Amino acid sequence: QITLEESGPTLVKPTQTLTLTCTFSGFSLTTSGVGVGWIRQPPGKALEWLALIYWDDDKRYSPSLESRLTFTKGTSSNQVVLTMTNVGPMDTATYYCAHLGDHDDFDVWGQGTMVAVSS
Amino acid sequence: QSVLTQPPSASGTPGQTVTISCSGSSSNIGSNQVFWYQQVPGTAPKLFLYKNNQRPSGVPDRFSGSKSGTAASLAISGLRSEDEADYHCAAWDDSLSGPVFGGGTKLTVL
Repeated sequence: QITLEESGPTLVKPTQTLTLTCTFSGFSLTTSGVGVGWIRQPPGKALEWLALIYWDDDKRYSPSLESRLTFTKGTSSNQVVLTMTNVGPMDTATYYCAHLGDHDDFDVWGQGTMVAVSS
Repeated sequence: QSVLTQPPSASGTPGQTVTISCSGSSSNIGSNQVFWYQQVPGTAPKLFLYKNNQRPSGVPDRFSGSKSGTAASLAISGLRSEDEADYHCAAWDDSLSGPVFGGGTKLTVL
């Protein structure tokens, strides 16, 4: 059974760097074809894809946020880490990590972690 | 402004059939498969349809999907109160090398 869980700060000040960790189980990010993505959802708004990382360390970023994002494998083999620099109020959202399924869909999602950006 | 366009709301009475539309472009829906996610308020999205019309295990056959050109739709027949949720369409976008989402449609069962 695949599970994912996001963790990180609930409150970040403007201009600071946000670091989010996704801890997963039930799959290995070393297995060919496997990927993990980050998606966010501002309160009352649409889902927005942020980044993807694949088993071979290939990374894809949303063009609108690419300059502020870094997605890496964590120090533990079952973790990935997303870093977002220079945050602002518009980055206030629930951040989800999700497993990339066989059909390039996000077939399993974490429960999400809410992040507020405020001074 | 989402890349894919959905109506913000839809509604129906129990037993009715409701259809939710999703409009995109040649770089996303026009050349890739469409996915649909169901999101009950306060919870994470859940994959409901993949490859335009395929249902993951556990999704009732009352839910069906279709795609034509740069548009897709989700149909829910025999509407039930537990179907009340937000529905999001998504598709891979070749120009972004990543997925794009619709704005979501809030389904209300009257």
